[in-house]
Amino acid sequence: QVQLVQSGSELKKPGASVKVSCKASGYTLSSHGMIWVRQAPGHGLEWMGWINTNSGIPTYAQDFTGRLVFSLDISVNTAYLQITSLKTEDTAMYYCARIDYGSGSQYWGQGTLVTVSS
Amino acid sequence: TVLTQSPGTLSLSPGERATLSCRASQSISSNYLAWYRQKPGRSPRLLIYGASTRATGIPDRFSGSGSGTDFTLTISRLEPEDFAVYYCQDYSTSPQTFGQGTKVEIK
Repeated sequence: QVQLVQSGSELKKPGASVKVSCKASGYTLSSHGMIWVRQAPGHGLEWMGWINTNSGIPTYAQDFTGRLVFSLDISVNTAYLQITSLKTEDTAMYYCARIDYGSGSQYWGQGTLVTVSS
Repeated sequence: TVLTQSPGTLSLSPGERATLSCRASQSISSNYLAWYRQKPGRSPRLLIYGASTRATGIPDRFSGSGSGTDFTLTISRLEPEDFAVYYCQDYSTSPQTFGQGTKVEIK
C-alpha cells in the first residue's frame, strides 16, 4: 500500500539548515507530484510549494524564496525539503503529501517537527 | 487569493448539523476549492475537492457547495471524530492558499 514516511524530529539553531526526507513506498515517486505544507504550533496550515517528481521542477511559495529547496532521489524513492538560514519562526510541523485533485486520493506523511531555538 | 473562513469556532453537539463558510478575495477558477479536516496531532485529511466532490473514502455526511468566491462545507450529522479544525484551500493557482481554519468543538 502507498505510504509516505518522514524523517524524525530536528532541533536546530537559528541560522542553521535542516533537511527533511519523505520516503515513498507502494508507488513510484516520479508518478505523482509532492506537496509540502507546514504548521506552526497553534497555527493553521501553510502551503510551502510542490515538486513535479517527473521533471524535478519545484514551485515555491513566495514567502520562502531563496531559503527553500525541494529535491528528489529517485533511486531511493525519496523527496526532500531543505530550509536554509533557519529562523525561530520556522519552528513547525512539516508535512509531505501526495494529493490527486483529479481522483480525490491522498497520502500524507506523519509530519516532521522542526524546532529552531538557540 | 485570501481565504476567510467563518465562524472561527462552532460549538455544536453530536448529531447536529454544521455549516462552515469560506470566502475568497477573488473568484476561484474552475471551482478549485478543497476542504480538509485536521484532528489534533494528526495530518490533515482531504474531504472535498472541486468545491463539491468527496474525496476517496469520505462519508456522505460531508458535502461541499458554492462557486466563485463563496463556498460552504456542510456536515449533516456530527460524529465524535468530526470535532476538529477545518480548512479550505484554493488550489487553482500558485501559490496555493489555505484559510485560517474553523474549529468545530463540542458544546
